[in-house]
Amino acid sequence: GAVVSQHPSRVICKSGTSVKIECRSLDFQATTMFWYRQFPKQSLMLMATSNEGSKATYEQGVEKDKFLINHASLTLSTLTVTSAHPEDSSFYICSARDPSTGGYSPLHFGNGTRLTVT
Amino acid sequence: GQQLNQSPQSMFIQEGEDVSMNCTSSSIFNTWLWYKQEPGEGPVLLIALYKAGELTSNGRLTAQFGITRKDSFLNISASIPSDVGIYFCAGQGTNAGKSTFGDGTTLTVKP
Repeated sequence: GAVVSQHPSRVICKSGTSVKIECRSLDFQATTMFWYRQFPKQSLMLMATSNEGSKATYEQGVEKDKFLINHASLTLSTLTVTSAHPEDSSFYICSARDPSTGGYSPLHFGNGTRLTVT
Repeated sequence: GQQLNQSPQSMFIQEGEDVSMNCTSSSIFNTWLWYKQEPGEGPVLLIALYKAGELTSNGRLTAQFGITRKDSFLNISASIPSDVGIYFCAGQGTNAGKSTFGDGTTLTVKP
């Protein structure tokens, strides 16, 4: 089945620094990837849609200058949390669809990145 | 926007018991999905449903796509301790790019 790999799985950084999270589709090409954020005991909240070769589409309330997304190839999207603050601490999860399985194919998720900002 | 109501919020059951959870929506979805998430990991797809009325099984799991396309349920039979986790439903509408997630059902199985 479709495999999505996310790295790193955990990161601790100091307030004011930037952190980059990578999301790769390992056995398929993804023109679109999705970035979610999840707070403890809550559901997944879509942050943005990453589009290969073009600008990401951000959900309402998500600061595009804070959460920089780059989708430079068909298998890699990156999310950079810039000037991180403790309130950015969260679980970030990427996902993608395998387009070869049809237009309504399900999302496959990476294993998530636990970001802790001190 | 589209919202999903997932219930129950949590369940505490004895090993061997059957479990049922469901999701309802005010909007029509073209696809219903059920995921399981364990602590510190991303959600893993359990079952995908593509047609209204569709009933699909995956081992001890059975899910159905409601005939109105506004609801879905997931049943787990003969629960075991490793079924513990958070189960999410998700709906995909006409915008095939986005999925809407329920709030999750936290399942605890007592041996």
